[in-house]
Amino acid sequence: NAGVTQTPKFQVLKTGQSMTLQCAQDMNHEYMSWYRQDPGMGLRLIHYSVGAGITDQGEVPNGYNVSRSTTEDFPLRLLSAAPSQTSVYFCASSPTFHTPNNEQFFGPGTRLTVL
Amino acid sequence: AQSVTQLDSQVPVFEEAPVELRCNYSSSVSVYLFWYVQYPNQGLQLLLKYLSGSTLVKGINGFEAEFNKSQTSFHLRKPSVHISDTAEYFCAVSRSGSARQLTFGSGTQLTVLP
Repeated sequence: NAGVTQTPKFQVLKTGQSMTLQCAQDMNHEYMSWYRQDPGMGLRLIHYSVGAGITDQGEVPNGYNVSRSTTEDFPLRLLSAAPSQTSVYFCASSPTFHTPNNEQFFGPGTRLTVL
Repeated sequence: AQSVTQLDSQVPVFEEAPVELRCNYSSSVSVYLFWYVQYPNQGLQLLLKYLSGSTLVKGINGFEAEFNKSQTSFHLRKPSVHISDTAEYFCAVSRSGSARQLTFGSGTQLTVLP
């Protein structure tokens, strides 16, 4: 199993550009989520999904869109990039939603810089 | 809502010395508690978790943590650290029995010195 994969690893955007961060998992996990990591602030939840076709907002959703058309993929879209979105983005997945074991498996991250 | 406070942003320690990384949480409901480790340029890896039962939890790489409900703490300890333990450590909390919406602390950078 490849686990949780993310592409690209690095990206530089200009203000106003749009892009999609890709996330895929091959563990048949129902739950997937996106976090951003900023210095001194830990990780903050952007969006999450409890299954194909179901998404919801986390703590910091503004400026980001998500969709979940398949169990495997959970892309994160930046509609109009802003310098405040410069961050490291992590995708995570977790097994069956109703299992109390809340362990999440994290991808390697995408480092995004918005100029 | 839950919140997590990691009291030390940087902890330098010499190799083979013991270390304690402190974590306090705030919640009005029962919680699950986690410690994750992030090695340089990598994603997060679960070290250990407390769901219920024994308050002393053992994890990977010789780490352990103790859940103290009265002090709302979940401190991480290791009796003897190695250079390879140099990493950032995150404490996290989620509401027990709920979705996996983890609330993370701001992280503690552990640097093991030779």
